[in-house]
Amino acid sequence: GQSLEQPSEVTAVEGAIVQINCTYQTSGFYGLSWYQQHDGGAPTFLSYNALDGLEETGRFSSFLSRSDSYGYLLLQELQMKDSASYFCAVRGTGGFKTIFGAGTRLFVKA
Amino acid sequence: NAGVTQTPKFQVLKTGQSMTLQCAQDMNHNSMYWYRQDPGMGLRLIYYSASEGTTDKGEVPNGYNVSRLNKREFSLRLESAAPSQTSVYFCASSERLGSTDTQYFGPGTRLTVL
Repeated sequence: GQSLEQPSEVTAVEGAIVQINCTYQTSGFYGLSWYQQHDGGAPTFLSYNALDGLEETGRFSSFLSRSDSYGYLLLQELQMKDSASYFCAVRGTGGFKTIFGAGTRLFVKA
Repeated sequence: NAGVTQTPKFQVLKTGQSMTLQCAQDMNHNSMYWYRQDPGMGLRLIYYSASEGTTDKGEVPNGYNVSRLNKREFSLRLESAAPSQTSVYFCASSERLGSTDTQYFGPGTRLTVL
């Protein structure tokens, strides 16, 4: 089967850097994705890693280590608008089903 | 470009009633998905359609049926609603069932079953 683990909550200060970790178990592996969801809103795609290493998109970066079945999302120069839930998602080669983690709620304080 | 649209936005049903949730995308995507999200939880895949004319079960298909009407539209039907189906339902689409798996989500339908 497939499963993902990520922390339920993280709190950080405006302007700081925060890292949200995700560990996964999957039969086969295509890649790890990250989505952001504000309260009452729809998930929006942030980043995708298929290979080991760091992918950078503006203030957001995502890292993957396939050998450790581990990835993280790094948010820099935190802003109040970054307060949201962040989901990691994985699709294994055992089927075309994307499995989402339960989400990490990020609180950014002034 | 509207992206992914869903109707209705809100719905209240009584146990045993039926309804169809509509979803349409204007991005010429091949693959479409239906998810449910319960409070404090991630998204769980109900059904998906890899391409026009095909549908497959996801993690939690029981109590639901789907129709891929054409390339643009993918509907979700609850034949006999139950309180356990109270949830937020999201439709999503992606260019194809490929390795990048970037999915674009609609605004969601908030369903309450009494």
